[in-house]
Amino acid sequence: KAGVTQTPRYLIKTRGQQVTLSCSPISGHRSVSWYQQTPGQGLQFLFEYFSETQRNKGNFPGRFSGRQFSNSRSEMNVSTLELGDSALYLCASSTEAGGLNEQYFGPGTRLTVT
Amino acid sequence: DQQVKQNSPSLSVQEGRISILNCDYTNSMFDYFLWYKKYPAEGPTFLISISSIKDKNEDGRFTVFLNKSAKHLSLHIVPSQPGDSAVYFCAASAGNQFYFGTGTSLTVIP
Repeated sequence: KAGVTQTPRYLIKTRGQQVTLSCSPISGHRSVSWYQQTPGQGLQFLFEYFSETQRNKGNFPGRFSGRQFSNSRSEMNVSTLELGDSALYLCASSTEAGGLNEQYFGPGTRLTVT
Repeated sequence: DQQVKQNSPSLSVQEGRISILNCDYTNSMFDYFLWYKKYPAEGPTFLISISSIKDKNEDGRFTVFLNKSAKHLSLHIVPSQPGDSAVYFCAASAGNQFYFGTGTSLTVIP
């Protein structure tokens, strides 16, 4: 069974631009969560989607948004990029009944904002 | 506000010895705790977990201890192997809210 895939793996953007990241979950997984990893803050929860609906949301500004498609693929969008948005963005998928321990992470997208 | 803290950014241990990674939390509502391991260029992978109703959980070389009164969690790896070298994240959940620590980079020296 293929793992969680994220595209692109690396991205360089300039301040003020917007960016869209993509995540394809493991086949059969309907929940997709997004995390931001920075050296000083560790992994911070952005949001979780299940059946095309945002089910949980972390404490991030409205510039961070996401969506999920009917095939469970998910995209995350960041508008008006700031230097502090430079981070590794990880997505994780799990089954409908999956708890935190059943999350499977992708390799991440490394975003650099200049 | 960091609700889950890993105060040691790095740890070095000789092969065969015990590795002890520590994690502190502030929210008494957390009821489930996990450890993840992360290699460079890969996403975190689940290692071991413990419910708040227990104080110890063991899986092979890995043991997690929970001290609820101290709001402290630790991961013991015995014996440590070079392949254990990675970044370890502790995580805690309360309902549907997930919180991760900042990670501890473990280096096991052959």
